[in-house]
Amino acid sequence: DAGITQSPRYKITETGRQVTLMCHQTWSHSYMFWYRQDLGHGLRLIYYSAAADITDKGEVPDGYVVSRSKTENFPLTLESATRSQTSVYFCASSVGTSGEVGELFFGEGSRLTVL
Amino acid sequence: AQSVSQHNHHVILSEAASLELGCNYSYGGTVNLFWYVQYPGQHLQLLLKYFSGDPLVKGIKGFEAEFIKSKFSFNLRKPSVQWSDTAEYFCAVNFYGNNRLAFGKGNQVVVIP
Repeated sequence: DAGITQSPRYKITETGRQVTLMCHQTWSHSYMFWYRQDLGHGLRLIYYSAAADITDKGEVPDGYVVSRSKTENFPLTLESATRSQTSVYFCASSVGTSGEVGELFFGEGSRLTVL
Repeated sequence: AQSVSQHNHHVILSEAASLELGCNYSYGGTVNLFWYVQYPGQHLQLLLKYFSGDPLVKGIKGFEAEFIKSKFSFNLRKPSVQWSDTAEYFCAVNFYGNNRLAFGKGNQVVVIP
């Protein structure tokens, strides 16, 4: 079924390892986003992309890298995982024009634990 | 700075009680407004949205929200809650000219049967 999918859904890794969380959407939405959700902090934006090859930092980008070579994919990489990056990560996509974003469609989330 | 505020982070109420959750934002320009719901263990789903037109918006599951421009508010209401409304509720705002949504910190709502 069409939609937005994240993988892996669950991941346990060790401090210092590189981890990549995948996000794929089938709607050809121009905008894609990565959020992390932590108790007491709500949703915090890590990175977002307005189109292929265009990415920008959100509120908490340190320690993360993104790329968007194709419209449908928006992987998030933790180059050297730290315990503070233990979180639930949500990918989302949206239609929109420059400066206006519509409804976000969220993936199921990826729960990452860094030991 | 553009921000979204939600108060009363934890709300506990009994079935059939009325629910109102407040959402205020800091920006005086044009905005798109959203309420999302997150059921335990699930991802965020859209409850309702406001882009323009009638400031009273009806969403799914009996929820509604009212946009009051003069108060920079977009409060969510439900006249009679059910146990299945136990969830976290997030207000989100797209400030025009900003390629993102700003989220409030959420309201954890627990409905007691």
